[in-house]
Amino acid sequence: AQTVTQSQPEMSVQEAETVTLSCTYDTSENNYYLFWYKQPPSRQMILVIRQEAYKQQNATENRFSVNFQKAAKSFSLKISDSQLGDTAMYFCAFIHTGASGNTPLVFGKGTRLSVIA
Amino acid sequence: AAGVIQSPRHLIKEKRETATLKCYPIPRHDTVYWYQQGPGQDPQFLISFYEKMQSDKGSIPDRFSAQQFSDYHSELNMSSLELGDSALYFCASSLGSRYLGTRSTDTQYFGPGTRLTVL
Repeated sequence: AQTVTQSQPEMSVQEAETVTLSCTYDTSENNYYLFWYKQPPSRQMILVIRQEAYKQQNATENRFSVNFQKAAKSFSLKISDSQLGDTAMYFCAFIHTGASGNTPLVFGKGTRLSVIA
Repeated sequence: AAGVIQSPRHLIKEKRETATLKCYPIPRHDTVYWYQQGPGQDPQFLISFYEKMQSDKGSIPDRFSAQQFSDYHSELNMSSLELGDSALYFCASSLGSRYLGTRSTDTQYFGPGTRLTVL
């Protein structure tokens, strides 16, 4: 079974600074995708970024980037130039993909990020 | 761009009542997932459908059932409601591909959720 571990229940960062959220996962599969979702106080689940396991290049989306270390099964999220609107719960998630279809998302427990003015 | 639509957004029920939650996926998406998120918890997978057939089953109680219709919308039916069923229920949709040798687009997009309160 796949598991996702987020070891930082809460973090805080000053506005305009950079913060890194950690995520590790465990799987015996070779084909999978990793995601970071953001859940602000509205509780909407918003996709932040995704990474295909077969790609060596780290994904980036504007101020968000990941450090994907496949051998170490690590998938951290870096937020640059933090903004007050980045305050949210961040979930790391995993799916296995294959010829028979995709598995549902398996989520970590989340990291609550507070951006301080 | 069109997003996933869920209705109702809020629902209050008494114990032992029934509830029906509806989900309308993004146009052309053929796969629907249902997740339950309790207070302070991560979302837990309940059930999914691909092309109107049940695809995967998670921690869905026997009191719950779901289906996907010909227009790809899905409904989650919940009976004999219990206090512990109070949660945020998310529907997510994706475009799946089951062809050997190809990778599906896989990314799941979430609706705004239905907040169910059982009194």
